[in-house]
Amino acid sequence: DVKVTQSSRYLVKRTGEKVFLECVQDMDHENMFWYRQDPGLGLRLIYFSYDVKMKEKGDIPEGYSVSREKKERFSLILESASTNQTSMYLCASRGQNRNTIYFGEGSWLTVV
Amino acid sequence: AQSVTQPDIHITVSEGASLELRCNYSYGATPYLFWYVQSPGQGLQLLLKYFSGDTLVQGIKGFEAEFKRSQSSFNLRKPSVHWSDAAEYFCAVGEDTGRRALTFGSGTRLQVQP
Repeated sequence: DVKVTQSSRYLVKRTGEKVFLECVQDMDHENMFWYRQDPGLGLRLIYFSYDVKMKEKGDIPEGYSVSREKKERFSLILESASTNQTSMYLCASRGQNRNTIYFGEGSWLTVV
Repeated sequence: AQSVTQPDIHITVSEGASLELRCNYSYGATPYLFWYVQSPGQGLQLLLKYFSGDTLVQGIKGFEAEFKRSQSSFNLRKPSVHWSDAAEYFCAVGEDTGRRALTFGSGTRLQVQP
């Protein structure tokens, strides 16, 4: 069974803290994504990666960075967390050639 | 740029009634279309997808969707709704290569009345 695992389901961080959200997939997928989900806005793409050490900005990259040192792992980094980054973060992966995109269960981040 | 519109933010139906959730897309090439469902506090689960061929596609949990190119629509339907269908539903559009991300609509929240 395919699996995208987000290790932290619920986090509470203080303003200004550096935050790491980790995502691991076991499907040997080349492409991985980080989305942010907010009520009424749907899913918005933050960053994606189509290969190890490769990354591209999505629609809302400001305030975020990413790291992909290994094929199976894609990390989202908030360099200095702010309250407007309180949200649900969804990681996803997808193989090449029209394959389905698979999602993790999400990480709920609250910045206080 | 591609975009997806789900005009209904919230829909309430009675259990056993039929359901149709609307989705309109804007896309420059042949679209690849998806419907996902999200239960509270969970990630997204794929219901069905359209890549090519028959414009009526069947998915899991008794859902189906019809691709209408002339209307730029990909509406989701179910003939008889169950209480367990209460969730949020997202329509998405993307390219055929996995390199590109999907663009999602803002979602429709479905409430089922007993």
